[in-house]
Amino acid sequence: DSGVTQTPKHLITATGQRVTLRCSPRSGDLSVYWYQQSLDQGLQFLIQYYNGEERAKGNILERFSAQQFPDLHSELNLSSLELGDSALYFCASSVVSGRKNEQFFGPGTRLTVL
Amino acid sequence: AQTVTQSQPEMSVQEAETVTLSCTYDTSENNYYLFWYKQPPSRQMILVIRQEAYKQQNATENRFSVNFQKAAKSFSLKISDSQLGDTAMYFCAFIESGAGSYQLTFGKGTKLSVIP
Repeated sequence: DSGVTQTPKHLITATGQRVTLRCSPRSGDLSVYWYQQSLDQGLQFLIQYYNGEERAKGNILERFSAQQFPDLHSELNLSSLELGDSALYFCASSVVSGRKNEQFFGPGTRLTVL
Repeated sequence: AQTVTQSQPEMSVQEAETVTLSCTYDTSENNYYLFWYKQPPSRQMILVIRQEAYKQQNATENRFSVNFQKAAKSFSLKISDSQLGDTAMYFCAFIESGAGSYQLTFGKGTKLSVIP
């Protein structure tokens, strides 16, 4: 158990819908990262937050957005869903200024868009 | 932009034997970190081993060790005494340090099967 929690574990929805994925980082970790794992694109970095502020953006679509709340949990919002958004979405957390720069991954949320 | 290449999509090894997974990367930076992550069928991403670019000594973690060749930009993973539980996807990953963001760039992965 990495200490990072993600809910829900599975999500099935229809095209055009909007969903919210939630992540709680490990205790003490200030940084949250979101990654998408799909068959055709592999593991891709989407976005990073550090202590409530957006720190970096990767290959995140405009239909996707995220935020980190004062209690440090984070939410990834996916809207106008398309079939191609079906993927495993991981959240990871780390202590950005930590010695080891290790990222600890949550169990992921499996999103299926029908 | 940095890239990570894993040239072996699939590999297999007999139980108790040794196997080496290859990884090359491309970066113009001098300070960075390299990682191997394991993803078993459960889909959980598990950190196997890490290497700081400024350290010449190769990292080891029990049966797992790396061969880090900085000039060649190569970072291979050696698994000794392979066990059935080592069956998984293995991802090589890379972080550039100093930019304030530490996002991981992953390779496409190597699917390792340990055969009894």
